[in-house]
Parts: sequence; C-alpha cells; structure tokens
Amino acid sequence: AQSVTQPDIHITVSEGASLELRCNYSYGATPYLFWYVQSPGQGLQLLLKYFSGDTLVQGIKGFEAEFKRSQSSFNLRKPSVHWSDAAEYFCAVGGRSSASKIIFGSGTRLSIRP
Amino acid sequence: DTGVSQNPRHKITKRGQNVTFRCDPISEHNRLYWYRQTLGQGPEFLTYFQNEAQLEKSRLLSDRFSAERPKGSFSTLEIQRTEQGDSAMYLCASSSNRGTGNTGELFFGEGSRLTVL
Repeated sequence: AQSVTQPDIHITVSEGASLELRCNYSYGATPYLFWYVQSPGQGLQLLLKYFSGDTLVQGIKGFEAEFKRSQSSFNLRKPSVHWSDAAEYFCAVGGRSSASKIIFGSGTRLSIRP
Repeated sequence: DTGVSQNPRHKITKRGQNVTFRCDPISEHNRLYWYRQTLGQGPEFLTYFQNEAQLEKSRLLSDRFSAERPKGSFSTLEIQRTEQGDSAMYLCASSSNRGTGNTGELFFGEGSRLTVL
C-alpha cells in the first residue's frame, strides 16, 4: 500500500532564509510525486510534480524538489523564503497504473519569521 | 470558469440529517476524487472514479457515505445520518490520466464545509 510521511508538523524560518520540507513515501514502484500548497482559506494548488527524467524538478514560486529513489524521499526546497510562502504544504504520491489513486501526507505548516 | 466547482460551499446540519454535496469537474477530466480534510490534517482519501466507474472506496469510510458519478461528469457525495465527527471540509478534485506523460495531477475545488450540530 502506498503511504506518505511528512515528519515535520510545523516549521518556522526567517524571511530570506532557505527552506527544506521533508517527504518520505512508500510505494512498490517508481511513483508520481507531487507537492501542493494550501494558503489559509484557499484551495490546494500544485507547486510541482515528478514523473520521470531529471530527479530535480522545478516548480512555481521558486520552489524545487529532488526525487531520491534510494531514500524514498521527495524533499521540497526554496533558497530564500518570502512572507507570502507561509502556508500548509502537502506531499502526495500516486501510482503509474491505471487504477492508482493519489494520497497525501499530513502536511507541514510553514511560518515565516519577519 | 473552467475549474472544479463544488456546491454548496457551506452546509450546517443537525445530527441525524442527510446531506449531499455536488462536484462538477473540469470537463475533459476522466478522473474524479473525493477527499475529506479536517483542521491541521492532509486530505484524506475517500473515493475516486474513472469516468462513471467507482474504482475504490476507502475502507475507513462508513457505509453512511456514498458517492456517484452517473454519467461520468458531475459527482455527488451523500452522507446519511450525519454525526458530529463528519464535520470537515469535503474536497473534490479532478484529473486526467489520458495521454503520454500525463501524471494525473489533481485540480481541486474550493471545498464544501460541513458542520454537524
């Protein structure tokens, strides 16, 4: 069965500092991987996705993530955070078969220190 | 607007009543998902459809919950005999897994918030 673990419930970083949010997954084959962001009172928005090829993927708003098969990880990074990045971040995993669903981790809440 | 639409946006009901939520997906999407989200948690998978076929329903889901997608377009999620523990945001998302390289990423609606008194 597929699963996603986001070990950090809440992270606070200073504006301008770098960010890394952790995501570990469990899946029997190479999965599709996603990061979504949810701002307060807003819907979920796709930040980036991995499906094949280059293991370092670029997304919107200056975010990137690296797929590491050996570690079953897909950590999200940003070199310099902005106050507007404060939100909830969700990692998700999906399978490549036609019957696969997408499931989400429990999320990491990001706060920005002025 | 060609995004995912959910109605109603808010529903307050008394315990024991039935409620129904509707989701209109992006028109060319063949997959439709329902998730439930409570405060501080990630979206919890409930069920999903490919066209009109319900492919999977969460084993954690009570028999009071049922979903349909009769013509492979819009979908309804019904909760019978609501309980206070059903209070949550119910999210609908659609995707397409057709074509090469299509990962089927989800496009979410804004959700239907249920409050059971």
